Amino acid sequence: DIQMTQAPPSLSASVGDRVTITCRASQTIDNYLNWYQQKPGKAPKLLIYIASNLQGGVPLRFSGSGSGTDFTLTISSLQPEDIATYYCQQNYKTPWTFGQGTKVEIK
Amino acid sequence: QLQLQESGSGLVKPSQTLSLTCAVSGGSISGGDYSWSWVRQPPGKGLEWLGYIFHTGTTFYNPSLKSRVTMSVDTAKNQFSLRLRSVTAADTAVYFCARDRYQGFYFYMDVWGSGTTVTVSS
Repeated sequence: DIQMTQAPPSLSASVGDRVTITCRASQTIDNYLNWYQQKPGKAPKLLIYIASNLQGGVPLRFSGSGSGTDFTLTISSLQPEDIATYYCQQNYKTPWTFGQGTKVEIK
Repeated sequence: QLQLQESGSGLVKPSQTLSLTCAVSGGSISGGDYSWSWVRQPPGKGLEWLGYIFHTGTTFYNPSLKSRVTMSVDTAKNQFSLRLRSVTAADTAVYFCARDRYQGFYFYMDVWGSGTTVTVSS
């Protein structure tokens, strides 16, 4: 299975800060990478697909980049409603696998 | 807009079979470039993809579940189902169903159910 490793496991930032979450694959996955946001007690929500494509309705402050093994999710200006856990997921090879998640909190 | 709703047994005894159904509303399970996935999340832990099924019945299961899992689709009822045999406490989790949209070889889970909690306990 392809292992997905996210960093950091958690972070605390102030409203308005730029936040960056990284995701590394154990082998190349080209750009077969999606990002999801999960708020407590809720289902995950698709944010970014195919590494850099913003899902409809997702605020423009979210962006994704990367290819190969290294990927980044960026929140350009953190808002209170962005408090959540973020997961990357590869669909390059089955079984699809997720990163362990990055919990984002407000400082 | 498309909605998914999980239902099924919330409490299952060890060694028995977990059965869940995902009802699709606001769209056809047979239409478009989609497959249908199950994902689970043990308490306080991350997400695990269990497998997917196409409306044709074609499936792919996560090998971590070995031979315990079966997914099926009922196009007449517009729903798909998950059965997991010989459950243990490790199968206790919130189970989500999701729609996978695909473009070429790219897949992404763009619609999710709200999830249903399954507890394995005697």
